[in-house]
Amino acid sequence: DAGVIQSPRHEVTEMGQEVTLRCKPISGHNSLFWYRQTMMRGLELLIYFNNNVPIDDSGMPEDRFSAKMPNASFSTLKIQPSEPRDSAVYFCASTYGDSRNTEAFFGQGTRLTVV
Amino acid sequence: DAKTTQPPSMDCAEGRAANLPCNHSTISGNEYVYWYRQIHSQGPQYIIHGLKNNETNEMASLIITEDRKSSTLILPHATLRDTAVYYCIFIKKSNDYKLSFGAGTTVTVRA
Repeated sequence: DAGVIQSPRHEVTEMGQEVTLRCKPISGHNSLFWYRQTMMRGLELLIYFNNNVPIDDSGMPEDRFSAKMPNASFSTLKIQPSEPRDSAVYFCASTYGDSRNTEAFFGQGTRLTVV
Repeated sequence: DAKTTQPPSMDCAEGRAANLPCNHSTISGNEYVYWYRQIHSQGPQYIIHGLKNNETNEMASLIITEDRKSSTLILPHATLRDTAVYYCIFIKKSNDYKLSFGAGTTVTVRA
C-alpha cells in the first residue's frame, strides 16, 4: 500500500477563496482523522470518522470548516472562505478503528498558506 | 480523557540511551499508553504501545510502572535521526480510537 495520500502537498491561496484538501486513507482502514498543526497550537485534532461517519468534530474551529467522507477511500476538508489564520500544515491519518488497531498512519501533510 | 505530563525538552548524546518520561496518574484501566514521534516536517510516526507489561520492538522499549501512573520510553542507542518531538498518548483500544496529541517532548540528539 502507498500509505495515506494527501493532496495537494502545498497550497497557496488568497484570503476569501475556497480551499479543498484531499485524503486517501490506507485500504481497509475504517477510521480517518484530520489534524491541523501550527507553531502556536501544536497538533490539533479537527475531526475523526469511523466507518465514514463523523464521530467527533469538536475540534473543527468554526463553520468555515467542513469535512466529508463520502466513502471508505476518500475524505475532504474544506475551508470556505479561507483566512490567513488558517495557514498551517494539515495532516490526515487512518487506522483500524477497532480492537485490532495498533497504530495510526499519517500522510505527508498539506502545507496551506493563505495570503 | 486522561491527561499526560511530559517534559518540554531534553538533550541526548548520540549513541547513548534516551529515557523519556511520561506521567499519567489519571489513566484508566482500559487505556493503553501509546508513543508517537514527529520528525521535522513529517507526519507523526507510531513507535510503541502497551497496557501493563513492558514492551520492546525494533525502535524502542516501553517501561510502565506497576501502578500505571507513569511510563518511560527508552531509545537504546540514540542517533541524530531520532531528533524529534515525542508524544505520550492514551487510547482506548476499541471502536472509539481517538488520537489526541499534547505538547510532547522535543528530543535533540547531539553528536
